[in-house]
Amino acid sequence: GIQVEQSPPDLILQEGANSTLRCNFSDSVNNLQWFHQNPWGQLINLFYIPSGTKQNGRLSATTVATERYSLLYISSSQTTDSGVYFCAVPVRSGYALNFGKGTSLLVTP
Amino acid sequence: GAVVSQHPSWVICKSGTSVKIECRSLDFQATTMFWYRQFPKQSLMLMATSNEGSKATYEQGVEKDKFLINHASLTLSTLTVTSAHPEDSSFYICSAPDGRGSYEQYFGPGTRLTVT
Repeated sequence: GIQVEQSPPDLILQEGANSTLRCNFSDSVNNLQWFHQNPWGQLINLFYIPSGTKQNGRLSATTVATERYSLLYISSSQTTDSGVYFCAVPVRSGYALNFGKGTSLLVTP
Repeated sequence: GAVVSQHPSWVICKSGTSVKIECRSLDFQATTMFWYRQFPKQSLMLMATSNEGSKATYEQGVEKDKFLINHASLTLSTLTVTSAHPEDSSFYICSAPDGRGSYEQYFGPGTRLTVT
């Protein structure tokens, strides 16, 4: 299956700082999603981004499919951004997802 | 749109009993749904693919006789943990694509199972 690696594993930021999370994957993909898992466990869809760049408020993401990586940018971080950020790619061809180990983000006041 | 619900949100059961978890697509039909498991401080691991009208397919290492999956309709999949043991305690999450042609997955809020 397609392997996925995320970095850094942990990140501590002060409120207002910017950050970049990285996701490397081992093969071409037809799907790549970024999620935020909140403290209650709910996975929030951030981006569906198999290629290109998207922005949503303070968050943006870029996937360079030819080089097999994706970046999630968080600007002007807030304490509510704390949680675990997952990148996921297909397990095989199709819909099921293989998740990276995540980046645990803590934003302090 | 693309809302997935799960019931119950959390459940505590005694060792040896069975527990059923429901996953529903609320505003779309899902011929395929997926079940994942997440242990504390770990990532999500795919357990099985639930197919409406046919048998589920299980990932390697997942016991199909222990984790029974039934995809009863285009909006409902159930996962039954049979003869539960403490090591089955975990966070179970389902997902489905919204059927609009993309591969984007939407996830339920999860069910936290504790087996005592």
